[in-house]
Amino acid sequence: DSGVTQTPKHLITATGQRVTLRCSPRSGDLSVYWYQQSLDQGLQFLIQYYNGEERAKGNILERFSAQQFPDLHSELNLSSLELGDSALYFCASSVEGSYEQYFGPGTRLTVT
Amino acid sequence: GESVGLHLPTLSVQEGDNSIINCAYSNSASDYFIWYKQESGKGPQFIIDIRSNMDKRQGQRVTVLLNKTVKHLSLQIAATQPGDSAVYFCAESPAGYALNFGKGTSLLVTP
Repeated sequence: DSGVTQTPKHLITATGQRVTLRCSPRSGDLSVYWYQQSLDQGLQFLIQYYNGEERAKGNILERFSAQQFPDLHSELNLSSLELGDSALYFCASSVEGSYEQYFGPGTRLTVT
Repeated sequence: GESVGLHLPTLSVQEGDNSIINCAYSNSASDYFIWYKQESGKGPQFIIDIRSNMDKRQGQRVTVLLNKTVKHLSLQIAATQPGDSAVYFCAESPAGYALNFGKGTSLLVTP
């Protein structure tokens, strides 16, 4: 158990809908990262937050957004969903100044 | 463009043998490299890391080798066990702390 929790575990929704994925980092970790894992693209970095502030952006679509709250949990919002958004979404956290990221169990999103 | 890639998509080894998983990277500016293991239905799990100023780093039953001349990274697993069966990813950090992952190699350990 990495100490990172993600909810929900599975999510099935229809095209055009909007969903919110939630992540609670390990106790004490200020950095939260979001990754998307699909069969054709592998694990892709989406976005990083550090202590409530956006720190880095990767291949995140404009339809996607994220935020980190004062209690350090983070949410990833996916809107206008398309079939191609079906994937595993992972959250990871790390302590300040560390490259070692601890991953949660992921949320499997299926868009029908 | 810059990328991290893996030489082999699948690797099958016998229990007790040593395993070697290879990875090529193209971003010479990367300062940090890391190997992750992902078991079915779970998130990636840290195995071992190495900084660009090192050639070799050893952990428990695992060794990572870095060859900057040819931009090659390898993970060696000694005395491979059934529990080592998983997908292994190499990742690099070209800037900041976000990780750029390779596609992954599936390791299958047979009895």
